[in-house]
Amino acid sequence: QSVLTQPPSASGTPGQRVTISCSGSSSNIGSNTVNWYQQLPGAAPNLLIYTNNQRPSGVPDRFSGSKSGTSASLAISGLQSEDEADYYCAAWDDSLNGYVFGTGTQVTVL
Amino acid sequence: EVQLVESGGGLVQPGVSLRLSCAASGFTFSSDWMSWVRQAPGKGLEWVANIKQDASEKYYVDSVKGRFTISRDNAKNSLYLQMNSLRAEDTAVYYCVREWAFWGQGTLVTVSS
Repeated sequence: QSVLTQPPSASGTPGQRVTISCSGSSSNIGSNTVNWYQQLPGAAPNLLIYTNNQRPSGVPDRFSGSKSGTSASLAISGLQSEDEADYYCAAWDDSLNGYVFGTGTQVTVL
Repeated sequence: EVQLVESGGGLVQPGVSLRLSCAASGFTFSSDWMSWVRQAPGKGLEWVANIKQDASEKYYVDSVKGRFTISRDNAKNSLYLQMNSLRAEDTAVYYCVREWAFWGQGTLVTVSS
């Protein structure tokens, strides 16, 4: 059972801004950094955001991350058709001594 | 170029063992934490285990403790996952992951009679 809670789905039209929330607790998001992953259909996950708000090279600046307290969020601005994918947040959990993933959010471009 | 290539997956019966391997290249393998993450068909991601650079620390998700063992051979740039007493619920694609950042393409393990 996932420890981090995300909405199951999100959608928008091309060009819109979409935000995905990730709710955790003091033992994970509240005390550790958050990573975000994008998983395109049929592919392995790809790191999208690390350390709450940092983008790896090659990730468009349309993607941004933030964290406040025990929650985090991923924003996709200027939504594009190629952004249709599943998105997962993740963080280390000090109580579980393990890496926990969010429940995942499927983004649809209408 | 960083590469992680998993192997060893397949169709096995419940109760048997399987050993997954991950061949790493393109980076200094001995400098990084390594992990296994799995994804059951149509489901989300689940961290399985991770191992420190010198193998002095290992962590496991509760559901595999006592059954799975993570190990590494820094001389061979390889990561392993020994899976014993396999169950149907272990059916998943298993990914090798470097420092939570770079993922291999995965290997499918199917446990079924």
